Amino acid sequence: AQTVTQSQPEMSVQEAETVTLSCTYDTSESDYYLFWYKQPPSRQMILVIRQEAYKQQNATENRFSVNFQKAAKSFSLKISDSQLGDAAMYFCVLFSNSGYALNFGKGTSLLVTP
Amino acid sequence: DSGVTQTPKHLITATGQRVTLRCSPRSGDLSVYWYQQSLDQGLQFLIQYYNGEERAKGNILERFSAQQFPDLHSELNLSSLELGDSALYFCASSPDMNTEAFFGQGTRLTVV
Repeated sequence: AQTVTQSQPEMSVQEAETVTLSCTYDTSESDYYLFWYKQPPSRQMILVIRQEAYKQQNATENRFSVNFQKAAKSFSLKISDSQLGDAAMYFCVLFSNSGYALNFGKGTSLLVTP
Repeated sequence: DSGVTQTPKHLITATGQRVTLRCSPRSGDLSVYWYQQSLDQGLQFLIQYYNGEERAKGNILERFSAQQFPDLHSELNLSSLELGDSALYFCASSPDMNTEAFFGQGTRLTVV
C-alpha cells in the first residue's frame, strides 16, 4: 500500500517570508514520482513541482523548491518570498508506475498574511 | 488553464437521479483519471482509463461507472444518487501513465 502523510493541517506565513510544508510517504516501489499540487479558493488543482525518485537533485521551480530525502521518505516543499497568491491548500502526491493512480495526502492549508 | 475541460461546472439534482459528467483531456493525452473531493473524505481516486481501456479502479461505488471514448473524452455516470454523493468531481489527464496529471476545473455536484 502507498500512503502520504501531511502532518500540518494548517500553516501560516507572512508575506515575503519563507515557509516549509512537510510530507512523508510510504511505498515499496523503487520507481515513483512525487508532486506538490496547490488548490486555491477557486478549487482548481494546479501542479506546483515534480520530483522523480531516481533523481538525487532537488527540484526547483522559481520560488518553490523541495527537500527530497529518499531514505527517510520525506518530501517537503519550501516556498520562498511568500506572496498573497500562494494562499491555498497544498497537497503532497505520490505516484508509482505499479499503482497507476495519484495518491494524495490530506493537504495543508496555507494562510499568507500581509 | 490546464487544457482539461469538464462540463458542466455545476449540477444540482435530486436523490435517486442519474447524471453524466464529461471530461475532455488535453490534446494528445491518453490517460484520464477521475477523482472525487468531498469535505470529509478528501481526494479519492475513482478510476483511470488509458487509451480507451480501464487501467485502475479505486474507491468507485457500483452505482458509478465511467468510460473513455475513441476520441479520448471520458464520461463519469453517477446513478441512484444519494446526499452523500455531493462533492467536487475532478477529471485529470496525462500523456501516459507515469507523468504528472493536469486537472480540470471540476464539476460541483449537489444532491438535494
